[in-house]
Amino acid sequence: GENVEQHPSTLSVQEGDSAVIKCTYSDSASNYFPWYKQELGKGPQLIIDIRSNVGEKKDQRIAVTLNKTAKHFSLHITETQPEDSAVYFCAARDFGNEKLTFGTGTRLTIIP
Amino acid sequence: DAGITQSPRHKVTETGTPVTLRCHQTENHRYMYWYRQDPGHGLRLIHYSYGVKDTDKGEVSDGYSVSRSKTEDFLLTLESATSSQTSVYFCAISATGATNTEAFFGQGTRLTVV
Repeated sequence: GENVEQHPSTLSVQEGDSAVIKCTYSDSASNYFPWYKQELGKGPQLIIDIRSNVGEKKDQRIAVTLNKTAKHFSLHITETQPEDSAVYFCAARDFGNEKLTFGTGTRLTIIP
Repeated sequence: DAGITQSPRHKVTETGTPVTLRCHQTENHRYMYWYRQDPGHGLRLIHYSYGVKDTDKGEVSDGYSVSRSKTEDFLLTLESATSSQTSVYFCAISATGATNTEAFFGQGTRLTVV
């Protein structure tokens, strides 16, 4: 099955700086890669996703890049704000079924 | 917010007792999932359902069973709870599958087995 590794496990950045979280996946046939944000005491919520036929996708201050050859994808948050503090999870679709495999999460802290 | 309700939100139970967690949705979505969340492990799939009475195992299904008798309800049962099942459990739903459409998560159930 699919295996997703996520780094770093914790990340602290100054407000206004950029944050980057990286994930690698094992199944070269995976074709869908969402990112979820989880705030304290809440369930994860989708913030952006990318499909394997696209190399980059942006949504305001958030962007995701995908390198299929290297089997890794990254989340980029620019101009970070205090409300960006949360746990972020990457995920990859298991080819041939309807299951998502998640990374182990990154706790992002924005320092005012 | 998607209409997903998990109950109970918190539960403390003793080792060896049966426990049932409920997930109720009002979105009429086909797919429903149960995940557990543990430090250092992220979210791991326990079981999922792709329709009424249609279920399949995830990566950590041992010790858990599920049932889906109605579109809106997905039950997770721990037949005999163990301390290793202390965790936060999340239910998720999606319309056509977690692959190309958004999966919506519930608020979670914190289960403690003592």
